[in-house]
Amino acid sequence: DADVTQTPRNRITKTGKRIMLECSQTKGHDRMYWYRQDPGLGLRLIYYSFDVKDINKGEISDGYSVSRQAQAKFSLSLESAIPNQTALYFCATSDLGAGGPHNEQFFGPGTRLTVL
Amino acid sequence: GEDVEQSLFLSVREGDSSVINCTYTDSSSTYLYWYKQEPGAGLQLLTYIFSNMDMKQDQRLTVLLNKKDKHLSLRIADTQTGDSAIYFCAETENYGGSQGNLIFGKGTKLSVKP
Repeated sequence: DADVTQTPRNRITKTGKRIMLECSQTKGHDRMYWYRQDPGLGLRLIYYSFDVKDINKGEISDGYSVSRQAQAKFSLSLESAIPNQTALYFCATSDLGAGGPHNEQFFGPGTRLTVL
Repeated sequence: GEDVEQSLFLSVREGDSSVINCTYTDSSSTYLYWYKQEPGAGLQLLTYIFSNMDMKQDQRLTVLLNKKDKHLSLRIADTQTGDSAIYFCAETENYGGSQGNLIFGKGTKLSVKP
């Protein structure tokens, strides 16, 4: 079974709809991240959480919100989706300091979101 | 702010060497990374180098680090069609509450022609 799972894998929605993307991990990591990937723009950090009570905005948090329901679960919401939020969304986890001092991040398979 | 730059595309022939270059801005990055993204998948850590090293070799992969010029490169020897992917350079964010977060480049899409 995959260590980091994302649901749904694909979603098509309409402008103005509320969307939730979910991420679950079995790695026992404290840190979780949400990124979006756009062609030619690479990965941009939306939100990150260092533990259940610690949630932080990333580079492009406007239009998004998150919830860390448990150590293993981190969901991303688009309250009112707009077309320029069409992108590939990745969840990632890490455990800085575990097994070494560097911060390896483990990525889920991605959710392809299309907003019409 | 911190930034990581890399070219967007590289095309090589099967069997040739590939060299993917990256420049970064934060001289205090403790580690620098190369991640690989295969089609339809998330990113996976390919290799990393500690900032006090100049070179790291791992089978067909060679990472070179020039701290003075803030330049990182990834060389893939005997490139195979299975190496076709997007390669991301990343540095470590080293200040304030976001310490340890990664800053990714835009990714270099490597195409390997048979």
